[in-house]
Amino acid sequence: EADIYQTPRYLVIGTGKKITLECSQTMGHDKMYWYQQDPGMELHLIHYSYGVNSTEKGDLSSESTVSRIRTEHFPLTLESARPSHTSQYLCASSERGLGEQYFGPGTRLTVT
Amino acid sequence: KNQVEQSPQSLIILEGKNCTLQCNYTVSPFSNLRWYKQDTGRGPVSLTIMTFSENTKSNGRYTATLDADTKQSSLHITASQLSDSASYICVVSEYGGANNLFFGTGTRLTVIP
Repeated sequence: EADIYQTPRYLVIGTGKKITLECSQTMGHDKMYWYQQDPGMELHLIHYSYGVNSTEKGDLSSESTVSRIRTEHFPLTLESARPSHTSQYLCASSERGLGEQYFGPGTRLTVT
Repeated sequence: KNQVEQSPQSLIILEGKNCTLQCNYTVSPFSNLRWYKQDTGRGPVSLTIMTFSENTKSNGRYTATLDADTKQSSLHITASQLSDSASYICVVSEYGGANNLFFGTGTRLTVIP
């Protein structure tokens, strides 16, 4: 089992609230990723990081922001949640190069 | 247009039966292809990874094949179990970019007793 954790697992929150989804990995991986996945749909990359102080936007435009102050930690923040942000958010990490991605269990976000 | 297409979208089989899932891709240049299993509400877990030179790779009851010429892969599940019920996702890596992963929409497999 991969050592990558996400909290919370489930979150229901009202419109306009600020939220932070946590992701931590203990494998010392340099690269980390955030994906968004709607039910029955493919994963879409929204953010990734090559290492500390590195953050890049992915293929799918997202109003969220990320930070990478420590190798093991890659939080995702929504400043003002909207119902359109309702989705599952999956965090992943990998070694350098094209190493296998290890996924966290995901956070199911519902914005009411 | 998605560069990774999977079929069928969903499949229901009886416990103990075999099944084969398909993945066709157009990603080029090709680096590798992975099959993931994703249980409902969970993150994907890797089953196999195949590079250009590999034709077949097995992981227990899971056997993946790759034809890099026709850009096709299959995942064969033998003697299915109820715990095999999940989505199976094909992911193709493009050579040259660390974030250039293309995800299929998955095949939803349901194994019934």
